[in-house]
Amino acid sequence: DTAVSQTPKYLVTQMGNDKSIKCEQNLGHDTMYWYKQDSKKFLKIMFSYNNKELIINETVPNRFSPKSPDKAHLNLHINSLELGDSAVYFCASSPSGNEQFFGPGTRLTVL
Amino acid sequence: TQLLEQSPQFLSIQEGENLTVYCNSSSVFSSLQWYRQEPGEGPVLLVTVVTGGEVKKLKRLTFQFGDARKDSSLHITAAQPGDTGLYLCAGVEMWELSFGAGTTVTVRA
Repeated sequence: DTAVSQTPKYLVTQMGNDKSIKCEQNLGHDTMYWYKQDSKKFLKIMFSYNNKELIINETVPNRFSPKSPDKAHLNLHINSLELGDSAVYFCASSPSGNEQFFGPGTRLTVL
Repeated sequence: TQLLEQSPQFLSIQEGENLTVYCNSSSVFSSLQWYRQEPGEGPVLLVTVVTGGEVKKLKRLTFQFGDARKDSSLHITAAQPGDTGLYLCAGVEMWELSFGAGTTVTVRA
């Protein structure tokens, strides 16, 4: 019954590694998002993806890339991880761009 | 640059007291939303306000949207420990949300 799910819940990795976080929504929504929440709880949008149109927040490094194999999935790939990438990453989906449904988050720790 | 400013950043009160959280914007959004986030979970939508001057009530929670659609407030009456959480306001434009930094509310029993 989980609406928006993310895996893994926790991810601990070394600097320089490449990692992926998966997101799936079973709500039939057209738009999916990735957000980064820093240690001060500030939520910042990274990407929105709708009907194969990707909108990128210009402040996001190109080491981050979203991949959507189908309408229900939007995975986040991160290359060459840096210490500053440590944060909680949230996936979300929306039927119309109004209410967004958030996943439980993935806590990424880069050592 | 943060478009939405929330105040206060932290709020700790006793059960039964009232509290108000403020959200102020330098921009006009098509609508404004309030979310609540509990530890280890994602934010959950509480309300969407669209019209300037609008007031919405959700049990003990009252949400106001300013006439100019640039500021909003959340008032909780007779707070309970279950109201503890991070309250986030978000401006909505097209498909995107711009979040404030949040107000951490702690209600002590």
